[in-house]
Amino acid sequence: QLVLTQSPSASASLGASVKFTCTLSSGHRSFAIAWHQQQPQKGPRYLMKINADGSHSKGDGIPDRFSGSSSGPERYLTISSLQSEDEADYYCQTYVSGIQVFGGGTKLTVL
Amino acid sequence: QVHLQDSGPGLVKPSGTLSLTCAVSGDSVSGSSWWSWVRQPPGKGLEWIGEISHRGSTHYNPSLKSRLTISVDTSRNEVYLDLISVTAADTAVYYCARRPDGYYEVDNWGQGTLVTVSS
Repeated sequence: QLVLTQSPSASASLGASVKFTCTLSSGHRSFAIAWHQQQPQKGPRYLMKINADGSHSKGDGIPDRFSGSSSGPERYLTISSLQSEDEADYYCQTYVSGIQVFGGGTKLTVL
Repeated sequence: QVHLQDSGPGLVKPSGTLSLTCAVSGDSVSGSSWWSWVRQPPGKGLEWIGEISHRGSTHYNPSLKSRLTISVDTSRNEVYLDLISVTAADTAVYYCARRPDGYYEVDNWGQGTLVTVSS
């Protein structure tokens, strides 16, 4: 069974950088994942897809401040030059054998 | 540009049927994509409900499968969700979303519609 594990919370200062981790469960380390942002009281927005080799492709209009990388079973989302509007929940998501799977989400607080 | 517009009744009585519509523009429901429903209970994370392909094939969350039907109307370019025998646990914001065929990722989301199950 594929499980995506995320830390429940993170915090960073305005203008700083933050790195989120999404960990794929055993046996699924080759899978690509997607990152989605959900600002308060809004629907999710697709940010990017990250492949196992670290290559990534971003959604339309996603700023260069957002980047992705990969190492083993971990997929990362890095946001640099944090802005107040980056305060949001961040979810990773993937797909296997007819089932979509979401991580539990990480809530980012911008200090 | 793809736009997904979710809509629904807002309030459904317990044991009733929850019916939602997703109006798609900028893409065709008979094109090469899967059309998903995802929900989010108040204060909680995202839960995948199910999806339907351009060919009408479906994948459902096993925990909801016995109560769930997802369908499409190609003439209206719309996707539908019907969930029967609802309880308060089905109270959530419901989102439709697109996953291109052969890809892992959902790449477009609707704005969501809140459904409350209450008498």
